[in-house]
Amino acid sequence: RKEVEQDPGPFNVPEGATVAFNCTYSNSASQSFFWYRQDCRKEPKLLMSVYSSGNEDGRFTAQLNRASQYISLLIRDSKLSDSATYLCVVNSPGTYKYIFGTGTRLKVLA
Amino acid sequence: DADVTQTPRNRITKTGKRIMLECSQTKGHDRMYWYRQDPGLGLRLIYYSFDVKDINKGEISDGYSVSRQAQAKFSLSLESAIPNQTALYFCATEDTGVNYREQFFGPGTRLTVL
Repeated sequence: RKEVEQDPGPFNVPEGATVAFNCTYSNSASQSFFWYRQDCRKEPKLLMSVYSSGNEDGRFTAQLNRASQYISLLIRDSKLSDSATYLCVVNSPGTYKYIFGTGTRLKVLA
Repeated sequence: DADVTQTPRNRITKTGKRIMLECSQTKGHDRMYWYRQDPGLGLRLIYYSFDVKDINKGEISDGYSVSRQAQAKFSLSLESAIPNQTALYFCATEDTGVNYREQFFGPGTRLTVL
């Protein structure tokens, strides 16, 4: 089992739709969780950190489910500019290193 | 203005050549990382450094070496390049605080080894 797993997609959704991605992680001792966004051939950029209580930033909501070992990202009212690859990132317990998922590709269609 | 810069942005080289990828940052962060990205594999950690005197191997350090010349500079070397080192290479810095972490990536270097 991979340490961090994501559905590669692509998720093709119309503008205005709500879309959700999940990411599962294998190490129950992981403490820090993040969603990064990566545009084609560009560098990843932090979208959101994921907190135990869940957190929201505008149209984006992130949730953590420790019991089932997954994190989720919900995007409401999708925009064309949301088209990108979304990377799930989990810390490696006991270290300062990060484990990256392979990413979920989102295409928002006009 | 880019806070994390990488040079070169693209490089094509031949098997057996020595290659150096440079990374510079103006963010003042102590922590720096080198990753490679391959299709379908995600980013994988090559080396990381928490200050000038601290260098640590990541999960795929074989065939690579690094040098932390100053807080602002972290270079990655391929001593004898081979085709399976063809990849997109990212340098990153990390900002940390109480309950806060964020990595800032450079624009990447696309390396092709023939």
